[in-house]
Amino acid sequence: SYVLTQPPSVSVAPGQTARIPCGGDKIGHKNVNWYQQRPGQAPVLVVYDDSDRPSGIPERFSGSNSGNTATLTITRVEGGDEADYYCQVWDSSYNHYVFGSGTKVTVL
Amino acid sequence: EVQLEQSGAEVKKTGESLKISCKASGFSFSTYRIAWVRQMPGKGLEWVGVIRPGDSATAYSPSFQGQVTILGDKSSSTAYLQWSSLRASDTAIYYCARHDGAETPFDYWGQGTLVTVSS
Repeated sequence: SYVLTQPPSVSVAPGQTARIPCGGDKIGHKNVNWYQQRPGQAPVLVVYDDSDRPSGIPERFSGSNSGNTATLTITRVEGGDEADYYCQVWDSSYNHYVFGSGTKVTVL
Repeated sequence: EVQLEQSGAEVKKTGESLKISCKASGFSFSTYRIAWVRQMPGKGLEWVGVIRPGDSATAYSPSFQGQVTILGDKSSSTAYLQWSSLRASDTAIYYCARHDGAETPFDYWGQGTLVTVSS
């Protein structure tokens, strides 16, 4: 089935920009969703359909998707952004959802 | 306000049965889909399956097909995840989540139910 590849961790200083890649075969042809999961909490949708933001999600969160890589970008990183981030797509070949392995964002 | 309220933590023995619940409020239960997602200790998210409460249609990840059953009750706006015989490897947090239709994102999540299975 379809595989999504994420780096295990990304570190970023406060106020800087974090970029979290999500790799997959021709992922640019799919709609990618991103979820934030803070420790001990349920996941929260932060970006959907590659680059749209749900209401209440800061503009600091943005997404892009092209070729074999989708990217979640967090600008002006804050301590509260420290969390695990998961990408997700719908695998139409098997009719099921697939999650990436997750990336832990650490704010230095 | 959209809410998904999940049942409390469970501690069970291997071989026992279990049914956990996800009660929906603040939206029309029948017109959305409810997915279940597993998170094993210290691990990532895995899609278990989904129910379309309007007609009780279900779909499962190949990894979970035959291992669990997803049910829905329109009268109480509640979705369920059921096991007939638990294994130690079922130990995990299980989340329910709402989505609008096929291929759509999970826009609201329950708080999670911790299931612990021991021998």
